[in-house]
Amino acid sequence: AQKITQTQPGMFVQEKEAVTLDCTYDTSDQSYGLFWYKQPSSGEMIFLIYQGSYDEQNATEGRYSLNFQKARKSANLVISASQLGDSAMYFCAMREGPTGANSKLTFGKGITLSVRP
Amino acid sequence: DGGITQSPKYLFRKEGQNVTLSCEQNLNHDAMYWYRQDPGQGLRLIYYSQIVNDFQKGDIAEGYSVSREKKESFPLTVTSAQKNPTAFYLCASSILWGVYNEQFFGPGTRLTVL
Repeated sequence: AQKITQTQPGMFVQEKEAVTLDCTYDTSDQSYGLFWYKQPSSGEMIFLIYQGSYDEQNATEGRYSLNFQKARKSANLVISASQLGDSAMYFCAMREGPTGANSKLTFGKGITLSVRP
Repeated sequence: DGGITQSPKYLFRKEGQNVTLSCEQNLNHDAMYWYRQDPGQGLRLIYYSQIVNDFQKGDIAEGYSVSREKKESFPLTVTSAQKNPTAFYLCASSILWGVYNEQFFGPGTRLTVL
């Protein structure tokens, strides 16, 4: 079974509107971390936001927020007030286990977001 | 400026030749990683290292080799045993202990084998 599932093939959003990018995960660990990265067409990977499995509040970073539903094993990224520069691929990733012991990440296949003017 | 450098940005090689991709970081991170990305796909882990002189295989290590002789350097060799080496290669680094320990990425090397 895939550990990270991103099933939306491509998303379109109008500039200044909000958009939700879906991510579901599969792990038997109690301690884990979830990450979202942005990859523009230039190729570099940009870290956006992090959610720890024990965090009680949903993570927020500027226009990015994470809708974390632990029981459903979902960690959806919400981008508010979309901008043209948000057009990119977005990847969800998971670290299984606590920090330190295991630092490697498993990535999903990504979602392409296109922002329309 | 602190960061990760990968060189070159584009690399062309003939089939059957080994090629080494460079990755250097000046972030003082303990851990370093190599990923492969194919068009329209996610990142797949090739090798990672959490300490100098030690490294572990990732999900797709066959046909690749690495070394970690210095903390700041983690070169990847794509050998002739790799059946389909044309891809985008990303190097990353991270701290091991911390709240996030998110991975920081280099700009990538696009390898084309002719």
